[in-house]
Amino acid sequence: NTKITQSPRYLILGRANKSLECEQHLGHNAMYWYKQSAEKPPELMFLYNLKQLIRNETVPSRFIPECPDSSKLLLHISAVDPEDSAVYFCASSSGNSDYTFGSGTRLLVI
Amino acid sequence: GDSVTQTEGQVTVSESKSLIINCTYSTTSIAYPNLFWYVRYPGEGLQLLLKVITAGQKGSSRGFEATYNKETTSFHLQKASVQESDSAVYYCALGVNNYAQGLTFGLGTRVSVFP
Repeated sequence: NTKITQSPRYLILGRANKSLECEQHLGHNAMYWYKQSAEKPPELMFLYNLKQLIRNETVPSRFIPECPDSSKLLLHISAVDPEDSAVYFCASSSGNSDYTFGSGTRLLVI
Repeated sequence: GDSVTQTEGQVTVSESKSLIINCTYSTTSIAYPNLFWYVRYPGEGLQLLLKVITAGQKGSSRGFEATYNKETTSFHLQKASVQESDSAVYYCALGVNNYAQGLTFGLGTRVSVFP
């Protein structure tokens, strides 16, 4: 899926700081971060519309989103916790019926 | 708020047999939601399987189909004859007209197809 790219694909961390990156090439106005833990559905973490943070779910403060421009999305993680091990999906949409997801970043906290 | 219910957590089916995955939804929005089925194959990301944005319509893709039934608030996924390659986790999802809320997913149904 080259329409929306995420990096890195895999990430293994101790208690460190790291940033996840996402870029979409679809011209979409809204971008999202989802977290999918094992055996759970994707859960919305953050939503940006036209670079403005519209909705911020109750996630730990060690997760900080950033949207440098309308096609890019970052997720800064500081002092990760084992409960943060999950797949983090970036998604984008234009309107309410055209969602595209990235391939995800698999984070393992050791 | 919004919610999506998938009653089967895991389904095992023989190749060439039929498959039905149940999905019902609930929303507090006054507008009819958009409904989606996503699939996640082992080791891969989340892929859109099909979507229906108009109540009463049917969506289809790769042999799968689902009908948006607003009377029963259901969006069941069906396939007449499954293949081993259909083994995956399937998620039903809902998006309201205000797209700023993102998608609400069901818990997922793990489908295992054996030869």
